[in-house]
Amino acid sequence: GQQLNQSPQSMFIQEGEDVSMNCTSSSIFNTWLWYKQDPGEGPVLLIALYKAGELTSNGRLTAQFGITRKDSFLNISASIPSDVGIYFCAGPYSNTGNQFYFGTGTSLTVIP
Amino acid sequence: DSGVTQTPKHLITATGQRVTLRCSPRSGDLSVYWYQQSLDQGLQFLIQYYNGEERAKGNILERFSAQQFPDLHSELNLSSLELGDSALYFCASSVMGGGLNEQFFGPGTRLTVL
Repeated sequence: GQQLNQSPQSMFIQEGEDVSMNCTSSSIFNTWLWYKQDPGEGPVLLIALYKAGELTSNGRLTAQFGITRKDSFLNISASIPSDVGIYFCAGPYSNTGNQFYFGTGTSLTVIP
Repeated sequence: DSGVTQTPKHLITATGQRVTLRCSPRSGDLSVYWYQQSLDQGLQFLIQYYNGEERAKGNILERFSAQQFPDLHSELNLSSLELGDSALYFCASSVMGGGLNEQFFGPGTRLTVL
């Protein structure tokens, strides 16, 4: 199946710092979604991207749909303790009948 | 609160048993997705239903089955349970069945097989 690779795998940052993470695929995706998951909870949708090159913001979060359609980036500005969690990219891959794939995740720890 | 409900929240059972997990989608959503998340693992897509019909199938074992009922709620049936089936099972729903797939997740059911 498709593999969505996220990097970095984990991050430890000071409160107030900016964060950047990315997601890459070997195949073209037409939609990229970014989710945040707290331990033991369901993922929560943060941002949805539908067009190559699209840049979308949601508060302190900004995500971009890569021009090649094989990658996406998520930035968090001025991190706060509640940003702690695991961030997943995801998308439907039409060549496999719209199966939905999630990335390997980036674990974020914010040190107060 | 995403509007997606799942029951039960926790389930403890023994190997060889069969369980049923239930999901109610957000009001107005026609599509339901099931995922498995093992400890420290990402989310593995199992299966999708759209308006009562199977739409996409992922890495779902033959021991597992699902269905979506006319009222759009869905059930995931897990049979002949093994220790390795212990995981969080999430249901998600979306308005459409393909294309624009903004999925909203429920709180999950934690299954423990002893």
